[in-house]
Amino acid sequence: QITLKESGPTLVKPTQTLTLTCTFSGFSLNTDGMAVGWIRQPPGKTLEWLALIFWDGDQRYNPSLRTRLTIAKDTSKNQVVLTMTTMDHVDTATYYCALRTDSGRDYWGQGTLVTVSS
Amino acid sequence: QSVLTQPPSASGTPGQRVTISCSGSSSNIGNNVVNWYRQLPGTAPKLLIYGDNERPSGIPDRFSGSRSGTSASLAIRGLQSDDEAIYYCASWDDRLNGPWLFGGGTKLTVL
Repeated sequence: QITLKESGPTLVKPTQTLTLTCTFSGFSLNTDGMAVGWIRQPPGKTLEWLALIFWDGDQRYNPSLRTRLTIAKDTSKNQVVLTMTTMDHVDTATYYCALRTDSGRDYWGQGTLVTVSS
Repeated sequence: QSVLTQPPSASGTPGQRVTISCSGSSSNIGNNVVNWYRQLPGTAPKLLIYGDNERPSGIPDRFSGSRSGTSASLAIRGLQSDDEAIYYCASWDDRLNGPWLFGGGTKLTVL
């Protein structure tokens, strides 16, 4: 059974750096074709893809947020970490991590709400 | 942030067949497969369709997807009251260089 779970702070201050961890089970990120990514959803709005890391370490970023994002994997811990710098009120959102397999099938975590407020 | 184009709302009565459209371009739907998700309030999106028309295990065959040119559609037959939710399409986008370019979402109301 594949599961993913997001963890991290629920509240960050403007200008701070956000670090989120996705801990997964039921698959290995060493397996060909596997990739784990992050998606966010501001309250009442649609979804926005942020970053993705493939089994081979290849990283992809949303161009509009590229300068603020870093994604990394720790296969020994079954974790993927996302950092986002210079947080702002507009970054308040529910952040999801998700597995994308080479067939295009997704598996999503439950999400974690991050509020940016002073 | 560009998104795929979906109608903001759709509706139907129990038992009816409804379709939700998703329009894109050659950099996404025109050359890449489409996924469809359903989201209930306060919950994560749930995958309904992947690879244009494949259903994950547990998703009933009332749900089906199709893609033609730069557009895709989700069809729901035998509409049920608990189908009331927001539905999102998504596709890989070659300009975004990532797997999830989402639509704006369609709120489906069961009358």
